[in-house]
Amino acid sequence: AQSVTQLGSHVSVSEGALVLLRCNYSSSVPPYLFWYVQYPNQGLQLLLKYTSAATLVKGINGFEAEFKKSETSFHLTKPSAHMSDAAEYFCAVSDGFGNEKLTFGTGTRLTIIP
Amino acid sequence: GAGVSQSPRYKVAKRGQDVALRCDPISGHVSLFWYQQALGQGPEFLTYFQNEAQLDKSGLPSDRFFAERPEGSVSTLKIQRTQQEDSAVYLCASSSRGTYLDTGELFFGEGSRLTVL
Repeated sequence: AQSVTQLGSHVSVSEGALVLLRCNYSSSVPPYLFWYVQYPNQGLQLLLKYTSAATLVKGINGFEAEFKKSETSFHLTKPSAHMSDAAEYFCAVSDGFGNEKLTFGTGTRLTIIP
Repeated sequence: GAGVSQSPRYKVAKRGQDVALRCDPISGHVSLFWYQQALGQGPEFLTYFQNEAQLDKSGLPSDRFFAERPEGSVSTLKIQRTQQEDSAVYLCASSSRGTYLDTGELFFGEGSRLTVL
């Protein structure tokens, strides 16, 4: 069964500092991997996705993630944090066609320190 | 509006009451998903429709939960005899294609927050 683990339910970084949010996955087949962001009282918004093309994926708002099969990881990074990045971030995995439901991690709340 | 619309946004129910939550997907979208998000948790899959066909309902937690999409557009999630553990945000998502995985274009609504007293 597919699953994801997000290490760290809360992460705080200073404005301008590197953002690193960790995600490890488990999947019996080559996975589809996603990062979503959720602002308060809003729906989930796609940041980026990995679908077996380039292992380094660039998303919106300056975020990127690298798929590392050997480490079963898909960590999210951003070189320089901005106050507007404060939100909840979810990693998600799908086993692919025929099983298109997403399995989400428990989320990481990112706080930006001025 | 252009996005996925859910109603009501907030619902308070007494334990034992039945509730119905509505999802208006983006016009023309084929795929529709329901997820349940408990406080402090990630969304958990409930059920999936492709047009009017319910292709996967493996995530529905009990037979008190029922979802339908009779005309392949609007969907309703119904919870009978609500319990306190049903308190959560219920998210609806839709996609224009039968398989959104390559495009990533899965659009979420803002959710319906259900509180069962």
